[in-house]
Amino acid sequence: AQRVTQPEKLLSVFKGAPVELKCNYSYSGSPELFWYVQYSRQRLQLLLRHISRESIKGFTADLNNGETSFHLKKPFAQEEDSAMYYCALTPSGGSYIPTFGRGTSLIVHP
Amino acid sequence: KAGVTQTPRYLIKTRGQQVTLSCSPISGHRSVSWYQQTPGQGLQFLFEYFSETQRNKGNFPGRFSGRQFSNSRSEMNVSTLELGDSALYLCASSLGNGGPTDTQYFGPGTRLTVL
Repeated sequence: AQRVTQPEKLLSVFKGAPVELKCNYSYSGSPELFWYVQYSRQRLQLLLRHISRESIKGFTADLNNGETSFHLKKPFAQEEDSAMYYCALTPSGGSYIPTFGRGTSLIVHP
Repeated sequence: KAGVTQTPRYLIKTRGQQVTLSCSPISGHRSVSWYQQTPGQGLQFLFEYFSETQRNKGNFPGRFSGRQFSNSRSEMNVSTLELGDSALYLCASSLGNGGPTDTQYFGPGTRLTVL
């Protein structure tokens, strides 16, 4: 069975501080990992996916197969980063049955 | 492009009733997925439709069903409503080709309250 764990329900930092949102997963095969974000009063949207190896809005995430983690990082948090962040996993190779973590609320104080 | 739309935005039903929710995908998108979001269980995948066929299914009872029309619009139906079905139901559309740039775009959701 696939599982995604986001150990922190809430993460509170000050503007300019580094941010790391943790995501741990369990899956027997090779997963595809995603981060979704939901800003206040906005729709859920894809932030980034591990296969793209891209940086979006200054955020990066590296898939660590050994530690089964996909932590989201940003070196300098901005107030506009305040949002709910969800980590998600889907099996690779075809069938799309995603599993989401419970989400972490990030609050960036001025 | 217009985004994903869902109707109605809010619904109140009583136990035992049935409900139908509608989702209109972004033009050109052939895949529509449905999710249930509750405080207790978080965001859970219900099913995905592609070209009028259910392609993937989550772990929900048969009371939850869906369909997709030839114009890619989708409906989901919940029969014999239970209190625990109260949730935000999200729909998301995508091209559905499974490629590395195939991105899901979410709708605003339908808030269902079962009394």
